[in-house]
Amino acid sequence: SQQGEEDPQALSIQEGENATMNCSYKTSINNLQWYRQNSGRGLVHLILIRSNEREKHSGRLRVTLDTSKKSSSLLITASRAADTASYFCATSEGSWGKLQFGAGTQVVVTP
Amino acid sequence: NAGVTQTPKFRVLKTGQSMTLLCAQDMNHEYMYWYRQDPGMGLRLIHYSVGEGTTAKGEVPDGYNVSRLKKQNFLLGLESAAPSQTSVYFCASSYSITRGVNNEQFFGPGTRLTVL
Repeated sequence: SQQGEEDPQALSIQEGENATMNCSYKTSINNLQWYRQNSGRGLVHLILIRSNEREKHSGRLRVTLDTSKKSSSLLITASRAADTASYFCATSEGSWGKLQFGAGTQVVVTP
Repeated sequence: NAGVTQTPKFRVLKTGQSMTLLCAQDMNHEYMYWYRQDPGMGLRLIHYSVGEGTTAKGEVPDGYNVSRLKKQNFLLGLESAAPSQTSVYFCASSYSITRGVNNEQFFGPGTRLTVL
């Protein structure tokens, strides 16, 4: 069963706009991670936020975590055509490395 | 430094045939994972390994077997392929959480398998 569920399932924006996607989960977590998958490729790790953190930045990425609502958001600012990809959240629950992935948000950025 | 590699990239099988997917990593990671990805369902964990000689079942293990004879390799076997196993298979690896580092996973490029 999937722990994380992303919303929306698909997002279409123009270059320069911001893209926001959300992830909800069901149980307590150690950390939450976001991954990107370009078409036909493997997943690439973007950013990790621990359960005791509320916000984290990495370049044009901003991640928030609200453990009381069991939700996270990923914001991509000033999007580029190269940001076109699927984005997945993954939650880490236990005392080791296993992750549970959501179904992903497909983002299309048009020039 | 190749990261995580997978062999083969594509394969077509007939129902009942067997095959082995090979995953190799050169990052000295303790943990390795096999996932399958189907449209609209994200990634589902098939089997995983926390070290050489140790494997465990994930979320969808039926119809698959695995082996980890060497730390750098993780093999996924299909003994009798079925059309329901048509999917894209991803291998991933990560450091042991006992190292005190984050458990981000590094993924291979995937194997696209079609079972007719």
